[in-house]
Amino acid sequence: AQKVTQAQTEISVVEKEDVTLDCVYETRDTTYYLFWYKQPPSGELVFLIRRNSFDEQNEISGRYSWNFQKSTSSFNFTITASQVVDSAVYFCAPAPWNSGNTPLVFGKGTRLSVIA
Amino acid sequence: ETGVTQSPTHLIKTRGQQVTLRCSSQSGHNTVSWYQQALGQGPQFIFQYYREEENGRGNFPPRFSGLQFPNYSSELNVNALELDDSALYLCASSLWIRSLIPYEQYFGPGTRLTVT
Repeated sequence: AQKVTQAQTEISVVEKEDVTLDCVYETRDTTYYLFWYKQPPSGELVFLIRRNSFDEQNEISGRYSWNFQKSTSSFNFTITASQVVDSAVYFCAPAPWNSGNTPLVFGKGTRLSVIA
Repeated sequence: ETGVTQSPTHLIKTRGQQVTLRCSSQSGHNTVSWYQQALGQGPQFIFQYYREEENGRGNFPPRFSGLQFPNYSSELNVNALELDDSALYLCASSLWIRSLIPYEQYFGPGTRLTVT
């Protein structure tokens, strides 16, 4: 059975600290995709990134970076120099490589609070 | 390019009533998915429409029904409302071109439904 785990329920950091959010996807598939979404207090889910499991290179976009470790099936998301506007719930959602138009299955999310 | 919009923003209904929620997909997108998000949980898939036909359904009873129109906008109808239907209802649109690779979905701001 496939299972996505976001073990950190809530994280609180002080502004300018770096923070890493964890996501583990347990599956027998060797190839799959992972999506990260951000949900600020306004409620709208904002797409951040789609990565595949056969690319273990770090991806960096501004203050955001993503690191995939195939050996542990973990797909971590790091925010550098966090800001108050980063406060949100962050969801990871895995998808099989051939899932096409099938819906996303979300983890329970990690609530990040950045304190000024 | 217009993003995904939903109406109304908030709604209060009484148990047993019926409700219709509306969604306008992002320009150029042909697929709409609906999700229910209870407080403190990740979004749960209700159903999806691709080119006006239902293209998958989650574990929701038949009193949850939907439509997709020729302009790819969509409605979610819920009959015989129950207290547990109180949640944030999110609509997501995507462009699917019959590829096996899963595509990112773009979400609207949601409709918060309260059933009393």
